[in-house]
Parts: sequence; C-alpha cells; structure tokens
Amino acid sequence: DTTVKQNPRYKLARVGKPVNLICSQTMNHDTMYWYQKKPNQAPKLLLFYYDKILNREADTFEKFQSSRPNNSFCSLYIGSAGLEYSAMYLCASSRRGGQDTQYFGPGTRLLVL
Amino acid sequence: QQKVQQSPESLSVPEGGMASFNCTSSDRNFQYFWWYRQHSGEGPKALMSIFSDGDKKEGRFTAHLNKASLHVSLHIRDSQPSDSALYFCAASDYQGGRALIFGTGTTVSVSP
Repeated sequence: DTTVKQNPRYKLARVGKPVNLICSQTMNHDTMYWYQKKPNQAPKLLLFYYDKILNREADTFEKFQSSRPNNSFCSLYIGSAGLEYSAMYLCASSRRGGQDTQYFGPGTRLLVL
Repeated sequence: QQKVQQSPESLSVPEGGMASFNCTSSDRNFQYFWWYRQHSGEGPKALMSIFSDGDKKEGRFTAHLNKASLHVSLHIRDSQPSDSALYFCAASDYQGGRALIFGTGTTVSVSP
C-alpha cells in the first residue's frame, strides 16, 4: 500500500484563526514533507521531518509549525491564518535520500476568508 | 528565479500522437530529476526518475537527460486521453533527506 492520506480534503478558515492539517502514511517512511501549491505555481516545500527531526525552510520558518507524534502521522499547523495561506497543501513521504520516490497525498485545499 | 523551469506551459496532442516537453535546472547542485504526473483531484504521482546521461524508457514514456546542460525532456509515445494531466519536473540534490524542487508544470491535453 503506497497511500498517503490527508484530512480534511477541504478546509475553510477565518482570518486570524488557527488551522491544523493532518497527514498519515503506513509505508514506514522515515521522511514526511509538506508542500504548498498555489495556482500556476510550483509546489513549494514548507518543511520536512526526517524521523523526529524537523527541518523548516528559511522563508517560511515562522509561518508554519509541525509535529510528528509517531512515524505514521504528521501535522501542519498555522497559528493565525491570513488570506495568503489560501492554497493546496500537499503531504508526501519517502525514505530518506534524493533518489527515493516521494509519495503524495491528494492534498488539502485551504480557503481563508 | 525559479530553479527548475519547464516548457511549454501547455500543449495539445491528438490521441496516438507524441507529446514532448522540457525541463531545465539552473543549479548544478540539483541534477537528479524526476517526472511527476498529477490528475485533477489527486496528488502528484512519480512517473520516473533519471539520474544518468541519455535515455530512460518505461513503457510509453521516455526521459532524456543531458547532465552537461542540466536539461531533461519527457516524451509520451502513443498518447492516450488518460495521459491528460499536469506534468511536473522536479530536481533533487541527493544530499539525503532533502526534498524536491519543482517546476511549475506542463499541462498536457490529449484529444480523442
């Protein structure tokens, strides 16, 4: 089973409110990623966990938080949503290494109003 | 500047025809390439990877890499309507645990 699941599939949030997105995988992958994708733009890496070590991109460091309570689950947390957070959020997992296939979930579409 | 650039943005091919599109990395550190395909309503799925110079063929799909120019192309032979999708090129630096740098994608439409 190469399934990555994401919940919810659609999320409506109000400006200034927190948002929590969930991702799970059962492939025992040691690395899990979160990407943000806006229309007509490339998916952009936000952060990734290798095992229990969190790596956040420099330009999104303060905007997103994440937790990984166990190997299978990973969350993406926005403390105070702004209009600019409206996007598709893609979760992926892989074994560590640039030559390993990343498996993506279907994404969560977040709309902030 | 986008590190991974794709062209064209979109193309249309007749069923049974050949679809070809391109990708270039502007960073010599990112020289390991992937092609991902995304159908509407789904997440991207890996089609194939290519890490060495030359051609790599998987079924109807052939990727070609020129490492000197960091240019990679994907060719779809005998295109089917089910090949209609958004195709992403992605590059990695194989440093272990590093994620992919994606291009903006090429939308392929295959008409019956």
